[in-house]
Amino acid sequence: QSVLTQPPSASGTPGQRVTISCSGSSFNIGSNYVYWYQQLPGTAPKLLIYRNNQRPSGVPDRFSGSKSGTSASLAISGLRSEDEADYYCAAWDDSLSGVVFGGGTKLTVL
Amino acid sequence: QVQLVQSGAEVKKPGASVKVSCKASGYTFTGYYMHWLRQAPGQGLEWMGWIIPNSGGTDYAQKFQGRVTMTRDTSISTTYMELSSLRSDDTAVYYCARGRAITDSFDIWGQGTMVTVSS
Repeated sequence: QSVLTQPPSASGTPGQRVTISCSGSSFNIGSNYVYWYQQLPGTAPKLLIYRNNQRPSGVPDRFSGSKSGTSASLAISGLRSEDEADYYCAAWDDSLSGVVFGGGTKLTVL
Repeated sequence: QVQLVQSGAEVKKPGASVKVSCKASGYTFTGYYMHWLRQAPGQGLEWMGWIIPNSGGTDYAQKFQGRVTMTRDTSISTTYMELSSLRSDDTAVYYCARGRAITDSFDIWGQGTMVTVSS
């Protein structure tokens, strides 16, 4: 059972906008930054969003992050076939003194 | 370029220990934390702990305390993660990942090391 809660799956057609939610508590999302990672099949995770809504160099602006209270979300606009991957949210948890993750959301591009 | 290169796959028997290495290049090794995470087959990511290479200081997730040891060799820019008393549910891909601070993001990841625990 993951500390952060994500939907197990999401889907969309090319060009669509999809959002993936991530729910936590006051100990993690409510008081710390949220991060998003993309994991393509058979590869290591890659940092997609840091500090709630910042994109690392090289990440397309089709990807955006937001946070409100104890929830966060990742939005992907102009969906492309290469966006098909698993997406994980993460945050520091003050009560556990460690990093916690969501269970991951498998995005399918139909 | 900045990269982390991990050691190869391991097969271990229950009760044994495994030591995975992670060699850093392309950046100042002592200037960043190194975190270790794992991912069981078909499952999500699990954080195990961190080491700060300049001092060797460590902190481990409660779940792994007493079974995990993280060390480093600054002369070769390499960190190690040793997990003891292996069980079948330790079968996973183990990753090292760089972080600017304890609570910051993991911006560079190793390629992963598959550890299989089987009798």
